[in-house]
Amino acid sequence: GAVVSQHPSWVICKSGTSVKIECRSLDFQATTMFWYRQFPKQSLMLMATSNEGSKATYEQGVEKDKFLINHASLTLSTLTVTSAHPEDSSFYICSARGAENTGELFFGEGSRLTVL
Amino acid sequence: AQTVTQSQPEMSVQEAETVTLSCTYDTSENNYYLFWYKQPPSRQMILVIRQEAYKQQNATENRFSVNFQKAAKSFSLKISDSQLGDTAMYFCAFSALGAGSYQLTFGKGTKLSVIP
Repeated sequence: GAVVSQHPSWVICKSGTSVKIECRSLDFQATTMFWYRQFPKQSLMLMATSNEGSKATYEQGVEKDKFLINHASLTLSTLTVTSAHPEDSSFYICSARGAENTGELFFGEGSRLTVL
Repeated sequence: AQTVTQSQPEMSVQEAETVTLSCTYDTSENNYYLFWYKQPPSRQMILVIRQEAYKQQNATENRFSVNFQKAAKSFSLKISDSQLGDTAMYFCAFSALGAGSYQLTFGKGTKLSVIP
C-alpha cells in the first residue's frame, strides 16, 4: 500500500520560533495532501488542503499566515508553524490521496509539537 | 456540507466477544465513500474498512464488517472475536466522489477498550 512519512515525529520549541513539519509520499505521487490538527481525545480537524504547484486552501478559522503550507513537488508538502505559541501545541497529521481513486487517504505518523 | 455523527464516545468489550460501533451521516451527495479508521495509542491512522455507497453489499475485512443502510444514512462497524490489539479510537469518515479533492469528514470518534 501507499506509504506517507512525516517528520519529525515530535518537536519541542521555544515560543516565538518557527517549526517545519514535512510530509512525504514515499512510493506514489500525491497531487493533493491534507493537513489535520488533533487535540487530545478529539477528532481530526482539517486545517488545509495542499495542492502541488498552487496555493493551499485553508479551512475557515485557520490562519494562513500562521500555518504556512508549501507543496513544491509531487512527493513533498511542508507545514511551517510560524512564531509558535503554547496554544499551537498539538498533534499534526498529514495525509495524501493515493494514485488510485478509491477515496482512501493514507496518513503519516503524525508530529507532536510542544511549544514552551 | 457533510456531517458524521458517532454517538458512542466510549465502549468496552470482552476479549473474543463481538461489538458494534455506530455511525450516522448526513449528506445530499449520492455517490460517496464511507470509511472506518482506527487510531491506536501510537496515533497512526489505519484504514479498517471502506464502503462505496453505490454497492449494496456490505463490506467485510476478516473480523470487521459493516452494516450499511443508505436510506437511513447509517454505517455501523461490527468487530467479531475482539482482540486486545483492537483497543483504539475508531473514527467513521465520509468522502464525496466526483470532482474534488476527496477530503475526509470525520466523526468525533469512539474509544474502544478490549478487556482481557
